[in-house]
Amino acid sequence: GQQLNQSPQSMFIQEGEDVSMNCTSSSIFNTWLWYKQDPGEGPVLLIALYKAGELTSNGRLTAQFGITRKDSFLNISASIPSDVGIYFCAGRNSNSGYALNFGKGTSLLVTP
Amino acid sequence: EAQVTQNPRYLITVTGKKLTVTCSQNMNHEYMSWYRQDPGLGLRQIYYSMNVEVTDKGDVPEGYKVSRKEKRNFPLILESPSPNQTSLYFCASSLSILAGRGATQYFGPGTRLTVL
Repeated sequence: GQQLNQSPQSMFIQEGEDVSMNCTSSSIFNTWLWYKQDPGEGPVLLIALYKAGELTSNGRLTAQFGITRKDSFLNISASIPSDVGIYFCAGRNSNSGYALNFGKGTSLLVTP
Repeated sequence: EAQVTQNPRYLITVTGKKLTVTCSQNMNHEYMSWYRQDPGLGLRQIYYSMNVEVTDKGDVPEGYKVSRKEKRNFPLILESPSPNQTSLYFCASSLSILAGRGATQYFGPGTRLTVL
C-alpha cells in the first residue's frame, strides 16, 4: 500500500491552543479517515470523510476532505490534556485495491 | 457492545515456537485485516480477508499465515517466529470493502509480541 505524507510529525502545545495537522497523497482517494491512538491501545476512529469537499465535526474536532481528493486536514480547537496521543490519517481508493493506506502519525503533547 | 477483540494482549515467546493470535469481531463485518505497528514505520498491513475463505497478502506478509473459516474470526499464525517479528499487532474489521461508510475500519486493542 501507499504511505501517506502526514505532517507535522509531532506537536508540543499548551492547553487551550488550536491544532492543525494534514495528510497528503500522490493519488486520489475516495475515503479519508482520522484515528487517535492512546499508548498501548488500538486506533480509535475520530472522523470519517466520504466526499470531496466534505467538512465534518466531532465535538472540538473538525476534518475536511480536500477538493483535490489528495489531501485531508484535521483541526482540534481549544486543546485539553486528554487530547494527548498519536493521530493517524488513513485513506483508500477502492478503485485501486482494498488496502487502507496510513500516515505515520502526528504525536501531540499538550501541557496544562 | 460492538467490538474487535484480540488474544492474547501480551505474548513473549522464543524463536521458532509456533503461535497464533486470535481476532474476533461481533459486527458481522465482511472485511478483516491484520497490521503490525513499529516505531517510525507506522501501520503496515500483513494480510486481509474480504470474506470467508477469501484472503490476500498485504504489504508485509512474509513469515505470517492467516485463515478465515468463519466470518467473525481471523487468526494470525506465526509458524516459526523470529525476533524481527517483535511488534505490536492490530486486527481490524469493516463492514465491506466498498467505498463509503462500509469501508470504515475498527481496530482491536492490540497484541504486543516479543520474540526472543
